[in-house]
Amino acid sequence: QVQMVQSGAELKKPGSSVKVSCKASGDTFGTHAVSWVRQAPGQGLEWMGRFIPILDMANYAQNFKGRLTITADKSTNTSHMELSSLKSEDTAIYYCAGQSWPDNWLDPWGQGTHVTVSS
Amino acid sequence: DIVMTQSPLSLSVTPGEPASISCRSSQSLLHSNGDNYVDWYLQKPGQSPQLLIYLGSNRASGVSDRFSGSGSGTDFSLKISRVEAEDVGVYYCMQSLQTRAFTFGPGTKVDIK
Repeated sequence: QVQMVQSGAELKKPGSSVKVSCKASGDTFGTHAVSWVRQAPGQGLEWMGRFIPILDMANYAQNFKGRLTITADKSTNTSHMELSSLKSEDTAIYYCAGQSWPDNWLDPWGQGTHVTVSS
Repeated sequence: DIVMTQSPLSLSVTPGEPASISCRSSQSLLHSNGDNYVDWYLQKPGQSPQLLIYLGSNRASGVSDRFSGSGSGTDFSLKISRVEAEDVGVYYCMQSLQTRAFTFGPGTKVDIK
């Protein structure tokens, strides 16, 4: 069974950047995309963007364009999500999820990474 | 972007009774291939979301047959035939048609009476 394992919690200062990693078991990125979704405290789910390794391209939600970079390396089955110019409103749990290609459902999900932005 | 709405936003159910959640999209999610690009997820307390239903009506691997998805176009529903204690959590629908801007509904919180 495919699993997505994410890096650990981060505490960042406003204005800095955070980079979260997500390692998939098996050859997930040979057939799947990887999406990143975040959840602010007590809030719902917000899709941020994705990387499609088989096309070597990324899509980003409009809210994050210009400060979000998502990459994925097929050789290591690892994706990275980097968010820059952090604000306190970026405090959230960040999830990676394998994304079926081309039908786009999200499965499996990583365990989540807590990112806290505070001075 | 496609806006997803859900109703009700919270639901309290007696064990063994059925439950139904509605999801509506601001644009049709029916693809020319005949599939409806809506998926359902359950986030149990303290856990990551998990896939329940994909492409409108297909149960994900390992999901109980008590769960079913239906609907087409802009109106969809998730039904639980007999609610069990393990079904508590927040249920989200997500549109997966607009590939540069996937969007989730606000979530429906289900608890047990």
